[in-house]
Amino acid sequence: GAGVSQSPRYKVAKRGQDVALRCDPISGHVSLFWYQQALGQGPEFLTYFQNEAQLDKSGLPSDRFFAERPEGSVSTLKIQRTQQEDSAVYLCASNRRDRDYNEQFFGPGTRLTVL
Amino acid sequence: GNSVTQMEGPVTLSEEAFLTINCTYTATGYPSLFWYVQYPGEGLQLLLKATKADDKGSNKGFEATYRKETTSFHLEKGSVQVSDSAVYFCALSTGAGKSTFGDGTTLTVKP
Repeated sequence: GAGVSQSPRYKVAKRGQDVALRCDPISGHVSLFWYQQALGQGPEFLTYFQNEAQLDKSGLPSDRFFAERPEGSVSTLKIQRTQQEDSAVYLCASNRRDRDYNEQFFGPGTRLTVL
Repeated sequence: GNSVTQMEGPVTLSEEAFLTINCTYTATGYPSLFWYVQYPGEGLQLLLKATKADDKGSNKGFEATYRKETTSFHLEKGSVQVSDSAVYFCALSTGAGKSTFGDGTTLTVKP
């Protein structure tokens, strides 16, 4: 079956540009997570949705970062006025319910490079 | 807050050697613990998990035991193969399921 997909896989942006990263979770998965992974580090939590509700956005590093999931399925992470420090791999994950023992299924990530 | 500290890499072993990757954690409450693996060119995938103290997670010859008294979840395998070469991440999850990850340990197994 289809896993979590993300697009684009690679994105190069000039400093100051806006970018939008898309995540298609596994069908029927209620919970969706965004993580940021800098080179040589582990993923860092950004934000979490349960269906269309954004229940936790405590990890978003600044107000330039915005995420939405309007119909409880596809999610978009938007970064406005990109900066060089935004360069990272952005990972999306989904799981069936908001239980802490549930496995998260990860997408391949979008590698963002800000020049 | 929650945190995960794992053994720094890279780790290089010969085929059939014994593997240990250390992982310790700090968490409020009672977390679930995970090991994820990332093979070259692929996304993160769950390797094994344990949801309560003294549980042992196992998969593909890898094992890890949830030790509450030492707040540890060390990954072990008795005999590694070249195909085990990958980056391994220890992680914990509490509450609504968001995970806290360690920085990853790169394992290279040579024939």
